[in-house]
Amino acid sequence: ETGVTQTPRHLVMGMTNKKSLKCEQHLGHNAMYWYKQSAKKPLELMFVYNFKEQTENNSVPSRFSPECPNSSHLFLHLHTLQPEDSALYLCASSQEVVGLGLNEQFFGPGTRLTVL
Amino acid sequence: KQEVTQIPAALSVPEGENLVLNCSFTDSAIYNLQWFRQDPGKGLTSLLLIQSSQREQTSGRLNASLDKSSGRSTLYIAASQPGDSATYLCAVVQGAQKLVFGQGTRLTINP
Repeated sequence: ETGVTQTPRHLVMGMTNKKSLKCEQHLGHNAMYWYKQSAKKPLELMFVYNFKEQTENNSVPSRFSPECPNSSHLFLHLHTLQPEDSALYLCASSQEVVGLGLNEQFFGPGTRLTVL
Repeated sequence: KQEVTQIPAALSVPEGENLVLNCSFTDSAIYNLQWFRQDPGKGLTSLLLIQSSQREQTSGRLNASLDKSSGRSTLYIAASQPGDSATYLCAVVQGAQKLVFGQGTRLTINP
């Protein structure tokens, strides 16, 4: 595997389900991100992790719970979601120096989530 | 609050034409600007990154410019091909690794 991978690629869940999205980066980077892309809205940053520590939570509802066990893996745990949470969820990684955001972010293919 | 605008929202041109995509941002205090390509239902592919101290970057048929003082960037595509059809996204980094995206320009190259 190369680059940034995400599983599953598609997910359909009910509002009472609990599911998790997984992201893995094979680039040796030290920062990872979750983004949300809804229809007709710009991509929105959700969370930023640097060296496994969360450094940014962009006012994301608590029904989205991220986890970063190491610099290569990032999870997004989902519970009691709403239909308006249906979107493409994208993971990205970058190699950062002091969290300045100077370097290129590389994106995975995304997970298309549908909440019924 | 930083806002990024991309004009036009959609563009359709015949194959072989040179074209320019525009991006503007409201706050010039940025670390860098990145152009991405997104194919339908897919993730983002990074095309070019311009640091705030740079004026332009080139990669093959693509050239991106940055005028930080006026809050503008352009992506120039030379000799367009049908394979260039995609949505092109502009994003600025404004501190703490926060990428702020525009809505994108949906480009169609007609054979």
